[in-house]
Amino acid sequence: GQQLNQSPQSMFIQEGEDVSMNCTSSSIFNTWLWYKQDPGEGPVLLIALYKAGELTSNGRLTAQFGITRKDSFLNISASIPSDVGIYFCAGQRGAQKLVFGQGTRLTINP
Amino acid sequence: DGGITQSPKYLFRKEGQNVTLSCEQNLNHDAMYWYRQDPGQGLRLIYYSQIVNDFQKGDIAEGYSVSREKKESFPLTVTSAQKNPTAFYLCASSKWEGFTEAFFGQGTRLTVV
Repeated sequence: GQQLNQSPQSMFIQEGEDVSMNCTSSSIFNTWLWYKQDPGEGPVLLIALYKAGELTSNGRLTAQFGITRKDSFLNISASIPSDVGIYFCAGQRGAQKLVFGQGTRLTINP
Repeated sequence: DGGITQSPKYLFRKEGQNVTLSCEQNLNHDAMYWYRQDPGQGLRLIYYSQIVNDFQKGDIAEGYSVSREKKESFPLTVTSAQKNPTAFYLCASSKWEGFTEAFFGQGTRLTVV
């Protein structure tokens, strides 16, 4: 099955730094979602994007639906220890199933 | 509180045995999904169901079976035909198939011993 290309695969940052990650596809998507997964838990939805060019924030998190509809970006400002985890992007096209990226593992040094 | 519950959290299985993972939701969602997660990989779709008594294969259905006798329940059976069953299994649901905001359970970690 198709998967999205998510990068970077892992990040090691200092507390307080800003974080950026992205997701790209060769296909157009109508919806982009960003999830966060804590160790040993299920993913939790952070942000949903439904319109090309849309920019949506959720606290310190900001996500954008790329104009080409083939990519999406997630930024985290002023990282804190509880931001540690794996971040997944997911895209959907029409009535097709969600397609997930491989995830970005975020590690924060205090 | 509404949510989606998976049980058990940890499961050990001997080679050659079938094992069933439970998934229950009280969100009144029509669609339910099973994903498999392996280290360093994204989520891969095993099976999904849009309505009661109907389900479709996902990308990696071989060695798995499901049933959807009730709207609230979507159990997954990992059969002995699954060659590499050790993984983290995630169940999810959404309002209807195509409505993308899926909610996930806490997962079941299956280990074959």
